[in-house]
Amino acid sequence: EPEVTQTPSHQVTQMGQEVILRCVPISNHLYFYWYRQILGQKVEFLVSFYNNEISEKSEIFDDQFSVERPDGSNFTLKIRSTKLEDSAMYFCASSVSSPLHFGNGTRLTVT
Amino acid sequence: QQQVKQSPQSLIVQKGGIPIINCAYENTAFDYFPWYQQFPGKGPALLIAIRPDVSEKKEGRFTISFNKSAKQFSLHIMDSQPGDSATYFCAASGGGSRLTFGEGTQLTVNP
Repeated sequence: EPEVTQTPSHQVTQMGQEVILRCVPISNHLYFYWYRQILGQKVEFLVSFYNNEISEKSEIFDDQFSVERPDGSNFTLKIRSTKLEDSAMYFCASSVSSPLHFGNGTRLTVT
Repeated sequence: QQQVKQSPQSLIVQKGGIPIINCAYENTAFDYFPWYQQFPGKGPALLIAIRPDVSEKKEGRFTISFNKSAKQFSLHIMDSQPGDSATYFCAASGGGSRLTFGEGTQLTVNP
C-alpha cells in the first residue's frame, strides 16, 4: 500500500537554526498538509497546500514557517529560526479528498 | 467553535470489553468525522469515518455512533484485544477544510 514517507525521523537542532523537514506524499494525491504534535498533546493543523499554493494555515503557522513543493514528489516544511517551543513531532499528510494519510513523522528537538 | 472535545483522557479495559470514547463538537459546518488510531512512534492512521447523513457506521469491530442534534459522536470497539492498545483521536472537518483533532484517548486493553 502506498504511504507518505518523511525524513529524517529525528532531527536535533540548536535554537535559532533553520531546519527543513521533508515529505514524499502519495503519488496521485493532490492535497498536502503539515500537522504537529507536541509530546502528549493533540495533533494540531499547521498548513494545507494545493495547486502549488497554501490553501489554509493556522495561527501557529507564522512567518517563521514556509512550505514548498520543489519538484513533483517532495513537500517540505522549513522553520527559519527554531525556538524551544518548536520541539514536537511534525506529521506530513496527503489526500485526494478525504481521508488524510499521515506519515510516521519527524521528531524535532530544539536545544 | 473549531474545538473538538474528547473524553476520557485514558481508558483501561479487559480483553473482550467494549471501550467507548466520546467526542463533542460545536461547529455545525463540520461534515466529516474520522477516528484515527496512533501507535507510539507512528503517525495517526485512519480507523473509520462517518458523515452526518447516517447515525451509525460499522467496520469490523469498530463502530461510530453519531448524534447530529447533540453534536456528539463516539467510537465503540467490540471484543477489544491487547493489540488495540493505542491512542485514539477523533477529528472533524467541514467543507474540505482543516481536520480539527480531539485531545486523544490512551486506551489500554489488558490481557
